[in-house]
Amino acid sequence: DIRMTQSPSSLSASVGDRVTITCRASQSIGTYLNWYQQKRGKAPELLIYATSSLQSGVPSRFSGSVSGTDFTLTISSLQAEDFATYYCQQSYSTPRTFGQGTKVEIQ
Amino acid sequence: EVQLVESGGGLVQPGGCLRLSCAGSGLTFTNYWMHWVRQVPGKGLVWVSRISVDGNITNYADSVRGRFTISRDNANNTLYLQMNTLKVEDTAVYYCSSEPKASPGRQLNYWGQGTLVTVSS
Repeated sequence: DIRMTQSPSSLSASVGDRVTITCRASQSIGTYLNWYQQKRGKAPELLIYATSSLQSGVPSRFSGSVSGTDFTLTISSLQAEDFATYYCQQSYSTPRTFGQGTKVEIQ
Repeated sequence: EVQLVESGGGLVQPGGCLRLSCAGSGLTFTNYWMHWVRQVPGKGLVWVSRISVDGNITNYADSVRGRFTISRDNANNTLYLQMNTLKVEDTAVYYCSSEPKASPGRQLNYWGQGTLVTVSS
């Protein structure tokens, strides 16, 4: 199984901060990496697919990139509505493993 | 508006069984592979199973293989998860989700609101 190691597990930030979350795959997965946002008590929502493509309706302050097997989700200027938990997921092979999640909290 | 609505969750004893349903509307059901993902309250997301558009291909997480069966009824836009020999560790919120066929990222673009399964004596 492909292991997805996500870091940090949590972070505290202020509105307007630039936030970076990293996900490392245990093997090559090409660009088959997606990011989801989950707010408390709600279902996850797709943010970014295929490493760097923004899902329709998602603000442009969210972006994704890759270097080798290290994938990054960046929020360029954190907004109040962005406080949530973020998950990466590889879609290269089954089982479609998720990262452990990163909880973004208000500082 | 696309909606995926799960139902069938509840309290069941260890060793028991349950069938979850996921009714889709507002989407062409046969354009999507379908998945089940679960989440223990307060914990992370765990992928459970997926099924192809025509139902001929199914995949499972090791933790549920042999106990759970995924299926779909395309005529009625409904996805199922038959869960047998349930264990305490199967307790979770179960989400259904859709993956557009031939999508560039094989991403899960729509999610239901989830249904809670509690396995306890």
